Amino acid sequence: SQQGEEDPQALSIQEGENATMNCSYKTSINNLQWYRQNSGRGLVHLILIRSNEREKHSGRLRVTLDTSKKSSSLLITASRAADTASYFCATEETGGSYIPTFGRGTSLIVHP
Amino acid sequence: GAVVSQHPSRVICKSGTSVKIECRSLDFQATTMFWYRQFPKQSLMLMATSNEGSKATYEQGVEKDKFLINHASLTLSTLTVTSAHPEDSSFYICSASGLPITPVLTDTQYFGPGTRLTVL
Repeated sequence: SQQGEEDPQALSIQEGENATMNCSYKTSINNLQWYRQNSGRGLVHLILIRSNEREKHSGRLRVTLDTSKKSSSLLITASRAADTASYFCATEETGGSYIPTFGRGTSLIVHP
Repeated sequence: GAVVSQHPSRVICKSGTSVKIECRSLDFQATTMFWYRQFPKQSLMLMATSNEGSKATYEQGVEKDKFLINHASLTLSTLTVTSAHPEDSSFYICSASGLPITPVLTDTQYFGPGTRLTVL
């Protein structure tokens, strides 16, 4: 099964700035999901974007999907210290096991 | 959103003992449950998928005799780490889905808070 790869691995910004994380994958997908994980905690589902969608919004989160480039981005606007966490993308491969596989994540630190 | 709980949240045990971790879906029927393992600063690695009432499907490289999974009801799955060793120390996370996995639509997985296992 394929694995999404997040970029950058680590991101450090000031509160109020925007944070952009990218995810690249290798084969065609049914959907792509973004999750957040606070240190030592379980994952929280943020957004699912399907392969026929190009952009989705949820509060301060904006996710884009470019299937021609096999990439997705997660934008957090007006970041807060509470956004400090690791962010993972998970892809569900077309014709695969339908079980999402995770990348290594982007570690985001938002300084107050 | 749906709630998934895990118990215990932390466990410390001696080498050679067995540890059972419970995963419960609190407000929905979890047709499918997943067990993941996560090492520090690493991604989640899927260990196995279990459907209620049937045997779990293990990922390649995961010893089914060492990591026993039981999904006896639509709200409970258990992972038992048998004869635990220090290398089994990790963060174990379960997730649950309320729908069977289909080729087209995938229900969101709801993740438990995780269990930190430390084997001395």
